[in-house]
Amino acid sequence: DAGVTQSPTHLIKTRGQHVTLRCSPISGHKSVSWYQQVLGQGPQFIFQYYEKEERGRGNFPDRFSARQFPNYSSELNVNALLLGDSALYLCASSLLTGPYEQYFGPGTRLTVT
Amino acid sequence: RKEVEQDPGPFNVPEGATVAFNCTYSNSASQSFFWYRQDCRKEPKLLMSVYSSGNEDGRFTAQLNRASQYISLLIRDSKLSDSATYLCVVSQSGGYQKVTFGTGTKLQVIP
Repeated sequence: DAGVTQSPTHLIKTRGQHVTLRCSPISGHKSVSWYQQVLGQGPQFIFQYYEKEERGRGNFPDRFSARQFPNYSSELNVNALLLGDSALYLCASSLLTGPYEQYFGPGTRLTVT
Repeated sequence: RKEVEQDPGPFNVPEGATVAFNCTYSNSASQSFFWYRQDCRKEPKLLMSVYSSGNEDGRFTAQLNRASQYISLLIRDSKLSDSATYLCVVSQSGGYQKVTFGTGTKLQVIP
């Protein structure tokens, strides 16, 4: 079975632009979470979605938004990019919402110049 | 105080050694606990969940101490392939999910 997939793998944007990152969860998993990881730090929780509804949110500004589609795939959108948004963006899927084990995709490395 | 704290290391240990990491958390309402490992420039991979009664998986043992609010990971008979960063994860739910990762502890197993 395929694991969690993310696209694109790498992305370079300039300040002020908008970006959309995509994630497909493991088949049968209904929950998707998004994380931001900067070098030397642990992943920081951005959102969790389950059955197309937001079920968790971390301490990120409103420039960050996400949605989940009927097939359980998900998009993370970031508006008005800042240099500080440069990071690895990780998507994780889990069977259900709540405190279940999560399985991560390879991530999208975003560079903002 | 950080919600989840880990000693960043690095822990440099010889092959075959036993090494232990601790992770403290500040929110007593935390309900679920996990250990992940992350290799350099790779995604985190689930190592094990941490149960109140403690759990063991081969050379790895995880413990939870709710009274002192910490979790631990013990690795016995360290292998070169155990070299990685070990992340502890604390999760709260109750209607709205919140997941917090520690900054990770780096382990280097030396031949």
